[in-house]
Amino acid sequence: QKEVEQDPGPLSVPEGAIVSLNCTYSNSAFQYFMWYRQYSRKGPELLMYTYSSGNKEDGRFTAQVDKSSKYISLFIRDSQPSDSATYLCAIFRFGNEKLTFGTGTRLTIIP
Amino acid sequence: GAVVSQHPSRVICKSGTSVKIECRSLDFQATTMFWYRQFPKQSLMLMATSNEGSKATYEQGVEKDKFLINHASLTLSTLTVTSAHPEDSSFYICSAESGGPYNEQFFGPGTRLTVL
Repeated sequence: QKEVEQDPGPLSVPEGAIVSLNCTYSNSAFQYFMWYRQYSRKGPELLMYTYSSGNKEDGRFTAQVDKSSKYISLFIRDSQPSDSATYLCAIFRFGNEKLTFGTGTRLTIIP
Repeated sequence: GAVVSQHPSRVICKSGTSVKIECRSLDFQATTMFWYRQFPKQSLMLMATSNEGSKATYEQGVEKDKFLINHASLTLSTLTVTSAHPEDSSFYICSAESGGPYNEQFFGPGTRLTVL
């Protein structure tokens, strides 16, 4: 079983829709949960990180973590064509000191 | 945010040649840098952890003699793909650790390697 599972998509939604991206993880020792956005042929850029169960909001983006079910989500409200990218979840734990990435979900926002 | 650069952004080489990729942290010092490999439509796979002034730590299955890593200064790490073969063609991305609550990594823009 992979440590982090993510549906690779692709996912296409109309502009203005709410997007839901999800990952599951297997190791309850993971402590920090990140979402990265990667445009084509570019390196990933950090969107948000959180370390506790619950929601964290930043503009149109909301990161949600449920540690009891080992489930993390990223919601994008009022989606824009510029949000079209691959979104990767990543998880970190001290002691391991490495990021473990999901496979990434390719998202396309249709104007 | 902190900026990490990579050079070259794209390289095409013949099979059997060696290719060097540079990773630089432009506005911060990074004791630790990471090298990842990404195949099309796949996630980032960590290849090795590069520590300034010491030997790199390679992930299981990564040939250290093929992928030579040198971290000579706090702002520069290099990855050399030796005797490259077509199966080494991939997108190579580095990151530099900046510290912070979870040792945040800032990623470079990546280097597309094509081996003919």
